[in-house]
Amino acid sequence: QVKLQQSGAELVKPGASVKLSCKTSGYTFSTSYMSWFKQIPGQSIEWIGMIYAGDGGTGYNQKFKGKATLTVDTSSSTAYMDLSSLTTEDSAVYFCARGLDYSAFPFAYWGQGTLVTVSS
Amino acid sequence: DVVMTQTPVSLPVSLGGQASISCRSSQSLVHSNGNTYLHWYLQKPGQSPQLLIYRVSNRFSGVPDRFSGSGSGTDFTLKISRVEPEDLGDYYCLQSTHFPNTFGAGTKLELK
Repeated sequence: QVKLQQSGAELVKPGASVKLSCKTSGYTFSTSYMSWFKQIPGQSIEWIGMIYAGDGGTGYNQKFKGKATLTVDTSSSTAYMDLSSLTTEDSAVYFCARGLDYSAFPFAYWGQGTLVTVSS
Repeated sequence: DVVMTQTPVSLPVSLGGQASISCRSSQSLVHSNGNTYLHWYLQKPGQSPQLLIYRVSNRFSGVPDRFSGSGSGTDFTLKISRVEPEDLGDYYCLQSTHFPNTFGAGTKLELK
């Protein structure tokens, strides 16, 4: 079955960077799309961007350009998201999700989320 | 960006009753290919969102037929009949027709 396992919670200082991971299993990673999302507790969900594992091609929500960088490692079927120059406004739960079948949308399979807390 | 407006914000229901959630978009969600990329999710407390309905009216695998989606253009509805305890949580609509994907603000389904 399809599984997306995200890395553990992070406590980081303002100005620092953090790299989140999303390890997948149960499907052919190299021909799939992966999207990433941000959710501040108690608020709605924002789509950050997506990456095609086949060639590393990316598409970003303009709001997150310069903040998030998406990459993949096909040898380990893992997707990554780097978040840079962190501020308290980046404190949130971040999710990865794969599209239905092998399309980009809708987002059918989700990781459990990674809580990022930015605090000095 | 396309703005997705959900109503109501909170929806008290009785178990066994029916619920209806509205989602309106700031522009038509009909793609140039003729498809409409409007989807519905349920997020239970402390969990990831789960896909219920995709492309307006298609139930995702394992979703009970108590859930149904309808609508067209800019106006969409999710109906839940015979509400059960596991249906409680936050419901979100999502549009994938226009870049970037955007979610509604959510509707909290709670017990009356």
